[in-house]
Amino acid sequence: SQTIHQWPATLVQPVGSPLSLECTVEGTSNPNLYWYRQAAGRGLQLLFYSVGIGQISSEVPQNLSASRPQDRQFILSSKKLLLSDSGFYLCAWNAESGANVLTFGAGSRLTVL
Amino acid sequence: AQSVSQHNHHVILSEAASLELGCNYSYGGTVNLFWYVQYPGQHLQLLLKYFSGDPLVKGIKGFEAEFIKSKFSFNLRKPSVQWSDTAEYFCAGSGGSYIPTFGRGTSLIVHP
Repeated sequence: SQTIHQWPATLVQPVGSPLSLECTVEGTSNPNLYWYRQAAGRGLQLLFYSVGIGQISSEVPQNLSASRPQDRQFILSSKKLLLSDSGFYLCAWNAESGANVLTFGAGSRLTVL
Repeated sequence: AQSVSQHNHHVILSEAASLELGCNYSYGGTVNLFWYVQYPGQHLQLLLKYFSGDPLVKGIKGFEAEFIKSKFSFNLRKPSVQWSDTAEYFCAGSGGSYIPTFGRGTSLIVHP
């Protein structure tokens, strides 16, 4: 069966420090991978998605970047965090073929101080 | 632009009350619609989905939703809520690009 892992679960970082959140999927190949940010009262905002290795689409211009170095690995990064980057980040995947039900990870809560 | 909107952001009900959460979408052509639920401390998970066929779809835990094309709506319903239905509910949609777009979410609190 397919599983999705996200880490770290919680992170407290100072302003200006770098960020790396990692997501891996097991039990499938060629998944579509997504990074969402969940903010209270604002729903889920799509940040990045990827349909293959090295292919990243950005939905919202911001202080973050994403990379997909391997088929089932998706990384969310920042070189210098801002206070406004605080939030709950969710990784998700769905099948390449378009049966597009998303499966979500447990999320990573980032607090920038 | 393709979007999904949810009208009720906070809903408070007593057990056994009926529930209807509104969702409207703005997609042309083929549309796939979803309701996801996030129980306290748990992963976001699929509640039900509509791809095609019968516009009344049934999901887990007694939830159902009706796709009304003429109204661009996909409202979520449950005839009698339980305390365990306390959660955040998200409507989502995708068109030809298959990239799901989510509404702002509705926080449901059910009092025992």
